[in-house]
Amino acid sequence: KQEVTQIPAALSVPEGENLVLNCSFTDSAIYNLQWFRQDPGKGLTSLLLIQSSQREQTSGRLNASLDKSSGRSTLYIAASQPGDSATYLCAVRPSYAGGTSYGKLTFGQGTILTVHP
Amino acid sequence: GAGVSQSPRYKVAKRGQDVALRCDPISGHVSLFWYQQALGQGPEFLTYFQNEAQLDKSGLPSDRFFAERPEGSVSTLKIQRTQQEDSAVYLCASRYGNTIYFGEGSWLTVV
Repeated sequence: KQEVTQIPAALSVPEGENLVLNCSFTDSAIYNLQWFRQDPGKGLTSLLLIQSSQREQTSGRLNASLDKSSGRSTLYIAASQPGDSATYLCAVRPSYAGGTSYGKLTFGQGTILTVHP
Repeated sequence: GAGVSQSPRYKVAKRGQDVALRCDPISGHVSLFWYQQALGQGPEFLTYFQNEAQLDKSGLPSDRFFAERPEGSVSTLKIQRTQQEDSAVYLCASRYGNTIYFGEGSWLTVV
């Protein structure tokens, strides 16, 4: 059974710092990995999606890397801003397995990020 | 609609009451998922529909949970005889290709 772990559980940083969020997964047979952002009382917004064949994806100040063989991904946030404060979740989609996975995602428990001015 | 719409946004139910949560996916999206998110945890898979067919219900925690999508668009998650442990946010998502879109969730509190 796939298990996804995120470290740290919470992080508080001053504005302007670069930071790294970590995600590890136990089963390397993944189709892709996604990073999501969740604001309080809101749904999930997809930030970056990395296919299993890719090593990294970038969007603005965000960079996500994937090392499938070691079961790790990192989300790097450059020059953090108070508006980045949210919960960040990583999720893996299993590789096709006889049609039984249906692309359902397994999530980590999230990292609560607070960026203070 | 522009996004995945869920209703009600907030529901307080007395223990033992039945509840129904509605999801309007993005028009044309074939795949629809329900997830349950407990406080401080990541979402956990409940069930998956492809059009009107429920192809995976392995995540439903008990037979008190039932989901349907009779016409392949709107879906309803029903919880019978609610218990306190059912208190959570219920997230609906629809998918097109690799992109998954989540609704804002239905917050259920059982008292």
